[in-house]
Amino acid sequence: QVQLVQSGAEVKKPGASVKVSCKASGYAFTAYHIHWLRQAPGQGLEWMGWIYPNSGGTKYAQTFQGRVTMTRDTSISTVYMELSSSDDTAMYYCARVSTVDSRDLGYWGQGTLVTVSS
Amino acid sequence: QSALTQPPSASGSPGQSVTISCTGTSSDLGLYNSVSWYQQHPGKAPKLIIYEVNRRPSGVPDRFSGSKSGNAASLTISGLQAEDEADYYCSSYAGSSTLVFGGGTKVTVL
Repeated sequence: QVQLVQSGAEVKKPGASVKVSCKASGYAFTAYHIHWLRQAPGQGLEWMGWIYPNSGGTKYAQTFQGRVTMTRDTSISTVYMELSSSDDTAMYYCARVSTVDSRDLGYWGQGTLVTVSS
Repeated sequence: QSALTQPPSASGSPGQSVTISCTGTSSDLGLYNSVSWYQQHPGKAPKLIIYEVNRRPSGVPDRFSGSKSGNAASLTISGLQAEDEADYYCSSYAGSSTLVFGGGTKVTVL
């Protein structure tokens, strides 16, 4: 079965970078886009962008352009999302598209809480 | 791009129906039939319940239905049940390989 397992919760100082991992299993890792979303406490979902593990190609939301970097390591079926200058406590989710050509997110990681505190 | 617009809250009694609206623009929701709805219970990851406007993934009860007209989409929950109390988010393809989400609607079962 498809599984996305994210790295554990982190505490960061204001202005620090954060890097979250998302390990995939149960399917052909390189065939499906993986998206990243952010959710601040009590707030809605915010789309950050995607990575296509086959080529490493990426697309970032304008809001995060210049601050976010998504990468992958195909040898361990893992994608990474790094956000620089993060000042906001938030939950970060990775999510896989349902089918190779779909635009909906049928599989989600459990979320990674990043707490920003001085 | 701007977020899709959803009402912050909706409610209904068990057995009733509740409809949530999601409004976009002619550049996103109005232009594409790639509208999805997600259900999120507190402390949990979102779950896909509707895709491509009105299609349900396997295992999603048929009391959940979706529709679209012009720049607006709707999610209807018929025969409301206690476990339907959750936050609901709409999403649309917005062109140029991007997605846009709504602000979310909290559904309360009275």
